Amino acid sequence: EPEVTQTPSHQVTQMGQEVILRCVPISNHLYFYWYRQILGQKVEFLVSFYNNEISEKSEIFDDQFSVERPDGSNFTLKIRSTKLEDSAMYFCASRGRAGLVTDTQYFGPGTRLTVL
Amino acid sequence: DAKTTQPPSMDCAEGRAANLPCNHSTISGNEYVYWYRQIHSQGPQYIIHGLKNNETNEMASLIITEDRKSSTLILPHATLRDTAVYYCIVRVGSSSNTGKLIFGQGTTLQVKP
Repeated sequence: EPEVTQTPSHQVTQMGQEVILRCVPISNHLYFYWYRQILGQKVEFLVSFYNNEISEKSEIFDDQFSVERPDGSNFTLKIRSTKLEDSAMYFCASRGRAGLVTDTQYFGPGTRLTVL
Repeated sequence: DAKTTQPPSMDCAEGRAANLPCNHSTISGNEYVYWYRQIHSQGPQYIIHGLKNNETNEMASLIITEDRKSSTLILPHATLRDTAVYYCIVRVGSSSNTGKLIFGQGTTLQVKP
C-alpha cells in the first residue's frame, strides 16, 4: 500500500540554524500538507500546497517557514532560523486527485525536531 | 469547519467493542465526519469517514445519527494495539476546499487486558 515517507525521523539542531524536513508524498497525490505537534499538545495545521503554490497557511506559518516541491516527488519544509519553540513533531500529509471531494488525507510517520 | 466535542478519555476491555462518541451539532450539509487515530506520537492514521449513512470498513464502523449532530465510532473487538488517541474531525467535502484537518484533543482510548 502506498505511503507517505519522511526524513529524517529525528533532527537535532542548534537555535538559529536552518533545517529542511523532507517528505515524499504518495505518488499520484496532488495536495500536500504540513502539520506540527508540540509534545503533549494537539496536531496543528501549518500549510497546504497545491499546483506549486501555497493554498492556505496558518498563523504559525510565518516568514521563517517555507515549503517547496523541488521535483516531482519531494515536498520540503524549511525553517530558516530555528527557535526553541519550533521543537515538535512535524507531519507531512498528502491527498488525492483533483475533483474528488471525499478523498482521504494520509500522514507520514513524522520528523521529531529538537532545537537546542 | 464545524467544531466537534469528544470525551477526553475512555477505557475498554480487550475483546469488547469500543464505542467512541462525537458531537458535531453545528455540522453543515456538505460536511463529512472523519475519524483518525494517533498511536503514541506516530502520524495520524485514517480510520473511516461518512456523510449521513452508516459506514463500515475493515477497521471500524461509523454510525451517524439521522440529524447528523453526533456520531459513534465502533471498534468491534478492541485489542491492546487499538490503544490510541481518536480524533473526530468534520471537514467540508469540496474539491475547492484546501482540505486541511482541524484536530481537537480527541479521546484517549485505553484498551485493558
